[in-house]
Amino acid sequence: NAGVTQTPKFRILKIGQSMTLQCTQDMNHNYMYWYRQDPGMGLKLIYYSVGAGITDKGEVPNGYNVSRSTTEDFPLRLELAAPSQTSVYFCASSTRPQETQYFGPGTRLLVL
Amino acid sequence: GNSVTQMEGPVTLSEEAFLTINCTYTATGYPSLFWYVQYPGEGLQLLLKATKADDKGSNKGFEATYRKETTSFHLEKGSVQVSDSAVYFCALSDLAGGTSYGKLTFGQGTILTVHP
Repeated sequence: NAGVTQTPKFRILKIGQSMTLQCTQDMNHNYMYWYRQDPGMGLKLIYYSVGAGITDKGEVPNGYNVSRSTTEDFPLRLELAAPSQTSVYFCASSTRPQETQYFGPGTRLLVL
Repeated sequence: GNSVTQMEGPVTLSEEAFLTINCTYTATGYPSLFWYVQYPGEGLQLLLKATKADDKGSNKGFEATYRKETTSFHLEKGSVQVSDSAVYFCALSDLAGGTSYGKLTFGQGTILTVHP
């Protein structure tokens, strides 16, 4: 059982480049989330989805976009990378609100 | 809004010492409370949780009790091991105010290092 998988593990981007962080879960969870973790800080919610075709903004959505065409996949898109987006990005999923969220291993992104 | 405050870290202990990591919260409704652990180079994983007042969550020798009167969820372990070295996050999930998506509000994390 793979759980939540994320790719890539690490990426270096130049300012202004774009990329997509991939997230896939095989637990048939409806709820999926994207968080970013900055050094010495807790995680901040970027976007979330309550099911295929339904997404909404979290606390820090600026500079990001998401889509949810299937239950399994929830990619996060960075259109114009900025140094402020240097962070570790975690994808998570859960069956229902307030239930345990299962996290992927993270993607470390460096924007130079 | 909701918030979680954890004790300042990092925490350094010798093996078999007693561990307490303090966590207090503010929430508008009746949140579920969680402790997540992050081992070096890995993602977060659930350590324990409690969904209502006076519930005690426990796992791997760790315990935390949901105290509504003091709005606290302190993490304790009687005898830590080197393998417990990790970052520990207190978090809450609150459905009040129409936030039905279960957003987790995290504390800033506490780095625990256990020496042999």
